[in-house]
Amino acid sequence: GEDVEQSLFLSVREGDSSVINCTYTDSSSTYLYWYKQEPGAGLQLLTYIFSNMDMKQDQRLTVLLNKKDKHLSLRIADTQTGDSAIYFCAERIYNQGGKLIFGQGTELSVKP
Amino acid sequence: EAGVTQFPSHSVIEKGQTVTLRCDPISGHDNLYWYRRVMGKEIKFLLHFVKESKQDESGMPNNRFLAERTGGTYSTLKVQPAELEDSGVYFCASSQGHSYNSPLHFGNGTRLTVT
Repeated sequence: GEDVEQSLFLSVREGDSSVINCTYTDSSSTYLYWYKQEPGAGLQLLTYIFSNMDMKQDQRLTVLLNKKDKHLSLRIADTQTGDSAIYFCAERIYNQGGKLIFGQGTELSVKP
Repeated sequence: EAGVTQFPSHSVIEKGQTVTLRCDPISGHDNLYWYRRVMGKEIKFLLHFVKESKQDESGMPNNRFLAERTGGTYSTLKVQPAELEDSGVYFCASSQGHSYNSPLHFGNGTRLTVT
C-alpha cells in the first residue's frame, strides 16, 4: 500500500540549515514532490525529483533521494523567517492516474 | 496566467445542510483533482477528473459527496447532508497533459466548518 510519513514539527534558528525528512513505501513512485503551505494560503510547489535521480539542487533548496531506503529529504540552506510554513512531501505513482499521496506535513518554525 | 481558483474560501454550515464548493482549474488543464485535509492530518485524495470524466473516485468518503465537471471546465463538489467530520480544508488541483509527469497546481483551498 501507499504511505508517506513525515515528522510533524521542526524548529530552527534563522540562518541555520533545515532538513525535513520523509519516508514513503511504494517502490513504483515516479516523482516525489515538496509542497509548501504558508498560513492561510494554498499549496505551493517547491520542487520535485524524478525517481531515477538522487539529488536535485535549486538555489537554497537541496532534495536528496535514497531510493533503496525510500527516504526523501529537503534541505533549506540559510533558513529565513519567511520559510516558516508547513512542508508536505508527496509521491506520485505511475499506475494510479497521477494522483499524489501526501504525508502529514512538517511544520517548520524559524526563530530569529 | 490565472492559477487554480476556489470558491468560497471559507464556509460555515450546520450539520445536515448542503454546501457546494467550486474549483476553476488553470485554462487548458484536462486533469482536475480534489483533495481534503482534516484536522491537521495528511492531505487525502478524493477524486480525479480527466476532462469531464471521473478517472478515479476511490477517495470519495461516501455517497454524501458528489463531484461534477460538466463540460470539462470548472468542477463542483457538493456535500449533502454535511456531517461534523466533513470539516476540513478542501483543495483542488489541476495539471496539463499526461497526468503522471505534469506537476499539480493547487488552489488556496476552501475551509469548511460544520457545526
